[in-house]
Amino acid sequence: GAGVSQSPRYKVAKRGQDVALRCDPISGHVSLFWYQQALGQGPEFLTYFQNEAQLDKSGLPSDRFFAERPEGSVSTLKIQRTQQEDSAVYLCASSSKVGPPYEQYFGPGTRLTVT
Amino acid sequence: KQEVTQIPAALSVPEGENLVLNCSFTDSAIYNLQWFRQDPGKGLTSLLLIQSSQREQTSGRLNASLDKSSGRSTLYIAASQPGDSATYLCAPPGYSSASKIIFGSGTRLSIRP
Repeated sequence: GAGVSQSPRYKVAKRGQDVALRCDPISGHVSLFWYQQALGQGPEFLTYFQNEAQLDKSGLPSDRFFAERPEGSVSTLKIQRTQQEDSAVYLCASSSKVGPPYEQYFGPGTRLTVT
Repeated sequence: KQEVTQIPAALSVPEGENLVLNCSFTDSAIYNLQWFRQDPGKGLTSLLLIQSSQREQTSGRLNASLDKSSGRSTLYIAASQPGDSATYLCAPPGYSSASKIIFGSGTRLSIRP
């Protein structure tokens, strides 16, 4: 079956622009996670959804970052007024579990470059 | 706060060798520990998930062990192949915030033909 998909795969934005990154989880997966991965580092947690509810957004680095999952399936991560430090790969993962232990399945990521 | 350290940061070995990747974590109250593989420009692929009640898990040439009391996990790769070249990441969530999985920085593995 289809895995987690993300679009676009690559995004170049000028500093100050807004961007929207999309994640399509595995069908039926109730849990959805967003991560930010800087070059040479492991992924860092941004936010977690259980269905449409955003249960944990403690990893969002600033109020310029906003995530939503209005119908409990597709999720969008929006970054407003992008800065150079936002350049990273943004990974989305989904899980069929509603609580721990999660076994997460990752998408290929969106590489964001802010110039 | 969970902190995860992976040693070594990079490793290059000739094909056929057996090798061990190390992961240590500071918060031993974990639900499980997951090992991932990441190929350049790709997302993460789950390799093994060890439940907190288990001590090890095996899949093919891979064996992962978990010692919660000492805050350590190891990934053993037998008879390494060039296709094993990738970055290997370990990730143990904590009880306090189980949804917030903390990753190590990874071990970048290169297998020389």
